[in-house]
Amino acid sequence: DSGVTQTPKHLITATGQRVTLRCSPRSGDLSVYWYQQSLDQGLQFLIQYYNGEERAKGNILERFSAQQFPDLHSELNLSSLELGDSALYFCASSTQKGGGGYTFGSGTRLTVV
Amino acid sequence: DAKTTQPNSMESNEEEPVHLPCNHSTISGTDYIHWYRQLPSQGPEYVIHGLTSNVNNRMASLAIAEDRKSSTLILHRATLRDAAVYYCILRDWGYGQNFVFGPGTRLSVLP
Repeated sequence: DSGVTQTPKHLITATGQRVTLRCSPRSGDLSVYWYQQSLDQGLQFLIQYYNGEERAKGNILERFSAQQFPDLHSELNLSSLELGDSALYFCASSTQKGGGGYTFGSGTRLTVV
Repeated sequence: DAKTTQPNSMESNEEEPVHLPCNHSTISGTDYIHWYRQLPSQGPEYVIHGLTSNVNNRMASLAIAEDRKSSTLILHRATLRDAAVYYCILRDWGYGQNFVFGPGTRLSVLP
């Protein structure tokens, strides 16, 4: 157990639907990062939050959004889902704004049918 | 971001040492060299990192070339559990850049 908790572990949904992925960071970590891993793209950075504020954006689609709550857990919202959004979504946390190593969760496997 | 180049795949026999190379010829003076690995169906996990000097921890050793343009991750005795994708990543500590993962090296360990 890495200390980063992601729920749900698996999610199957239909095209056009909206889902929310949840991440609880390791205790004491203020930064949360979201990554998408699909077969053809590898691990792609989506977005980072630090202590409730957005800090960096990567290749995140406009249909996707995220937030970090006062208790530091984070949610990644994916809407108008397409078949191509099927992927593993990983959350990671770290202690600092951008420094330090990352601790990854075990991921949420999203399947869009 | 400074780029790294790694072999797509490598094979090793169980209980033998493994040397995973990484080239980073455009590395800057403030780039740290990080290694992560991803076991099947799991998230990436930290292995080791260093700046200039060789580093050792319980998982592995990191040998950094004197000119820092290449590095080698050394697993001293490969086990079946070490079969994973290994990522070599450069990151500038000072600017808080995020980790950019390349395709990595897929290590197979043969019994």
